Amino acid sequence: DARVTQTPRHKVTEMGQEVTMRCQPILGHNTVFWYRQTMMQGLELLAYFRNRAPLDDSGMPKDRFSAEMPDATLATLKIQPSEPRDSAVYFCASGFGSQWPQHFGDGTRLSIL
Amino acid sequence: ILNVEQSPQSLHVQEGDSTNFTCSFPSSNFYALHWYRWETAKSPEALFVMTLNGDEKKKGRISATLNTKEGYSYLYIKGSQPEDSATYLCALNRDDKIIFGKGTRLHILP
Repeated sequence: DARVTQTPRHKVTEMGQEVTMRCQPILGHNTVFWYRQTMMQGLELLAYFRNRAPLDDSGMPKDRFSAEMPDATLATLKIQPSEPRDSAVYFCASGFGSQWPQHFGDGTRLSIL
Repeated sequence: ILNVEQSPQSLHVQEGDSTNFTCSFPSSNFYALHWYRWETAKSPEALFVMTLNGDEKKKGRISATLNTKEGYSYLYIKGSQPEDSATYLCALNRDDKIIFGKGTRLHILP
């Protein structure tokens, strides 16, 4: 079965460090989403790309977060500098477009000390 | 502000009983509504995508309906089983924005 692959699965680091999370979407999917799961907000959309172009990143704090798709097989989400309030599970999902179901990765559990 | 509301927040249902819950959303500029099932310690799994007013979708014992004019969707589970215990999320797609509700947490009691 084709799957969305996220690395790392877990990350613990100190405040101020740069964090990079990676996502390999399912081959052929042209839409990639980054989500953050928090207790307060539930699942919130940070950014999404269609055909590698950013469509909506209004949910992402721009001063410290950045999302890119250097190629069709890799999406990255970076936080620099990281803060304790960034601790959450970050999910990547991919699909054929917004009218198609999204396939989620297993998530990266991030802890900022 | 684009708001997607799900109710109830939490639900306890006896095994074998049927149940349903609601997703409400602004009806203007509707594009698509998604339902996901999210088990604890796993990732969300797609159930349905609905785009047309009056759409009804079914997958086994789970079905969903959509009313885009009044801005709601119902998810039904017939004859609940322990494996149905999960959080059920709906997500609205509109104007290239995707907003998830906070989910309905379903507990099936043996």
